[in-house]
Amino acid sequence: AQSVAQPEDQVNVAEGNPLTVKCTYSVSGNPYLFWYVQYPNRGLQFLLKYITGDNLVKGSYGFEAEFNKSQTSFHLKKPSALVSDSALYFCAADSWGKLQFGAGTQVVVTP
Amino acid sequence: DGGITQSPKYLFRKEGQNVTLSCEQNLNHDAMYWYRQDPGQGLRLIYYSQIVNDFQKGDIAEGYSVSREKKESFPLTVTSAQKNPTAFYLCASSPHRDGTEAFFGQGTRLTVV
Repeated sequence: AQSVAQPEDQVNVAEGNPLTVKCTYSVSGNPYLFWYVQYPNRGLQFLLKYITGDNLVKGSYGFEAEFNKSQTSFHLKKPSALVSDSALYFCAADSWGKLQFGAGTQVVVTP
Repeated sequence: DGGITQSPKYLFRKEGQNVTLSCEQNLNHDAMYWYRQDPGQGLRLIYYSQIVNDFQKGDIAEGYSVSREKKESFPLTVTSAQKNPTAFYLCASSPHRDGTEAFFGQGTRLTVV
């Protein structure tokens, strides 16, 4: 079965420290990969995506993600986290029009 | 303004009643999706549609039904057969080409009492 996995339910980081949120996928073909962020009781907001080309993609609010085909991973990173980055982060894969999401990772950034 | 609109934001229904959640987009997107969000389970795909008059079951379609009679509309009906309907429901749309990202509505929180 095709799936997207986010192995960490929660990531805690101090403000100013680097942030990493992990994602691995198991889907057929060459999927498009995405990261979204969700604030309480809201819809999802797009952060960045990987389609093809350079394995390091840059997105909104200083976030970036590294695509690794051999490890089927697409980890989200930010060099210096802010308290305002505290939110729920979702990784997603689009394979043949079926857009699937991971379970989400709660990021908590402490001052 | 272009966007995707879900209504209502909050919905309460008695057990055993069918209820329909609205999703409208004016982005001229071909594809539309419905997801259910429960704590700790992420977004689970209920139904998706890549073109008008066509839709496919997602991972948890049982107890739900949809229609796609118009490009801009993709209503979701939660039937009485859905055993645990209380959840946050999210609708999304995308152009469905070249990896363009999906846009999400603000969600509908359904509570069945």
